[in-house]
Amino acid sequence: SQELEQSPQSLIVQEGKNLTINCTSSKTLYGLYWYKQKYGEGLIFLMMLQKGGEEKSHEKITAKLDEKKQQSSLHITASQPSHAGIYLCGAESDSNYQLIWGAGTKLIIKP
Amino acid sequence: EAGVAQSPRYKIIEKRQSVAFWCNPISGHATLYWYQQILGQGPKLLIQFQNNGVVDDSQLPKDRFSAERLKGVDSTLKIQPAKLEDSAVYLCASSRRTGPSTDTQYFGPGTRLTVL
Repeated sequence: SQELEQSPQSLIVQEGKNLTINCTSSKTLYGLYWYKQKYGEGLIFLMMLQKGGEEKSHEKITAKLDEKKQQSSLHITASQPSHAGIYLCGAESDSNYQLIWGAGTKLIIKP
Repeated sequence: EAGVAQSPRYKIIEKRQSVAFWCNPISGHATLYWYQQILGQGPKLLIQFQNNGVVDDSQLPKDRFSAERLKGVDSTLKIQPAKLEDSAVYLCASSRRTGPSTDTQYFGPGTRLTVL
């Protein structure tokens, strides 16, 4: 079965610095979703990537799906306290269109 | 457009008690999902409805969990009796999905359940 691994598990970054979170799949990715979650709350949709090489941006967050379609990265430029939270990637299963999920990356922004 | 609504936001119960969660999806969304998220893990799908029919409930512990979506709109998830390991955040999501494909899922704020 397909598995998603996120790295790092947690990250502490000085405010204003850039950072990257990775999501690696054991199989080809057909659709990759990025969500953000505040502790113990619901998930907020950020972006969806489908094509190899695709890149999308929203404010200071950029997500890419690599050409081989087995990894996605989420890059935050000039981090702010509002970026703190847990970032989760979800991928379409190749068998039943359900989403399988990574365990999340916890991001802390130091002022 | 109103988002996915869930209630209650928090619930604390003793083990062996019962509890129910309610979800109202985004208007017009055909598909509704219930997930269980244990701290430090990704969401685990419990049940997926399309309109008022069950699409997937393979990971729902049917001896204690039940869910329904009457009239294809709002839904309730029940646990009876609760166990300590049921302590988690219960997330409801909805999407426009109407067939064998994926579509963006939009999540409610979740219900944090603590079983003592």
